[in-house]
Amino acid sequence: QVQLQESGSGLVKPSGTLSLTCGVSGGSISNDNWWSWVRQPPGKGLEWIGEIYHSGSTNDNPSLKSRVTISVDKSKNQFSLRLASVTAADTAIYYCARVQYSGWYADYWGQGILVTVSS
Amino acid sequence: DIQMAQSPSSLSTSVGDRVTITCRASQYISSYLNWYQQKPGKAPKLLIYAASNLQSGVPSRFSGSASGTDFTLTITSLQPEDFATYYCQQSYRTPRTFGQGTKLEIK
Repeated sequence: QVQLQESGSGLVKPSGTLSLTCGVSGGSISNDNWWSWVRQPPGKGLEWIGEIYHSGSTNDNPSLKSRVTISVDKSKNQFSLRLASVTAADTAIYYCARVQYSGWYADYWGQGILVTVSS
Repeated sequence: DIQMAQSPSSLSTSVGDRVTITCRASQYISSYLNWYQQKPGKAPKLLIYAASNLQSGVPSRFSGSASGTDFTLTITSLQPEDFATYYCQQSYRTPRTFGQGTKLEIK
């Protein structure tokens, strides 16, 4: 059973950089899956941030205006998200998920981590 | 970006009811349409992928269908544990956009 766990700072100052890591257990990050980040502002809907393959290939959401960096560390079986120049609008629960390449659907999700942007 | 128009935004229903939620894509997405269920304080859970494929472990009262760019999630005989928010997502193109969500409430 694959499990994903988000970790990182829950409080980031405005104009700072949000950094999160998603640890994967019960399976290898080098399997034929993509790995994704999705966020949800409090009380609102889901927003797709981006995804990465173990080779390092990425896709990300242009709405985030190139502030996003997604990377993978195969030796630690984890992948990471960095979001630069954050504002209060980036306050959200951030989820990581495993994506099935065959249909690009997320079948396993982490529990989510709340990140608040505030001084 | 591909826009996903999901309706209704909320629905007041009763246990045992049949429920239909619709998503309309702004352009062709083949069958790259997924449905997720989210309960308060929990991560989304995959219900249906590729428009009509039931994810392993999901009860058979959930089903999905497609007609062109219109997609439907149907729940037959609603159970107490089904009161949640449901999201569609297109995975045909990046960014992989979600619908606005449909909240099922107890009547």
